[in-house]
Amino acid sequence: DADVTQTPRNRITKTGKRIMLECSQTKGHDRMYWYRQDPGLGLRLIYYSFDVKDINKGEISDGYSVSRQAQAKFSLSLESAIPNQTALYFCATKDLITGELFFGEGSRLTVL
Amino acid sequence: AQSVTQPDIHITVSEGASLELRCNYSYGATPYLFWYVQSPGQGLQLLLKYFSGDTLVQGIKGFEAEFKRSQSSFNLRKPSVHWSDAAEYFCAVGVRAGNMLTFGGGTRLMVKP
Repeated sequence: DADVTQTPRNRITKTGKRIMLECSQTKGHDRMYWYRQDPGLGLRLIYYSFDVKDINKGEISDGYSVSRQAQAKFSLSLESAIPNQTALYFCATKDLITGELFFGEGSRLTVL
Repeated sequence: AQSVTQPDIHITVSEGASLELRCNYSYGATPYLFWYVQSPGQGLQLLLKYFSGDTLVQGIKGFEAEFKRSQSSFNLRKPSVHWSDAAEYFCAVGVRAGNMLTFGGGTRLMVKP
């Protein structure tokens, strides 16, 4: 099984709908991240969490919210999806000793 | 704040040819530097990283990268490319191990038979 698991892997929805992307990890890492990938823009940080009580906005948090339900779970929500939120979303955890990020396989979201 | 530039959006090489992917960063002190690879439909996988010490670092899949402080660069190289290397490659920079990484825009590598 993958160390970082994202669900759903693919989702098509309509403008105005609420969407939740879920992430779970078995790495035992405290730090978790949500990134968005758009062609030519690389990965941009949406939200990050240092532990269950510490959640912080990244560079593009507008229109998104998150919930850290447990050390292993970190969910990303779009309260009212819009077409420019169509993108590939990645969850990641971080090893604080090596600095390495471990990524899920991504959730492709299409907002019509 | 740190920033990363990958000047080449797309690169096409022939199988067996050598490869160099460019990465330039902006940061005042010695950064933590990473190269990640994203195969189609997959998440990102770490190829190699540089924290300190020897400026030539070896990674997985036969890749290496060289940190050049004077040029603020961390270019990725491979002597002989295989068709399975076709993927998107991301350079990333961090201030220290616990800090957020800033990613470049990525370079998409295509390999011709």
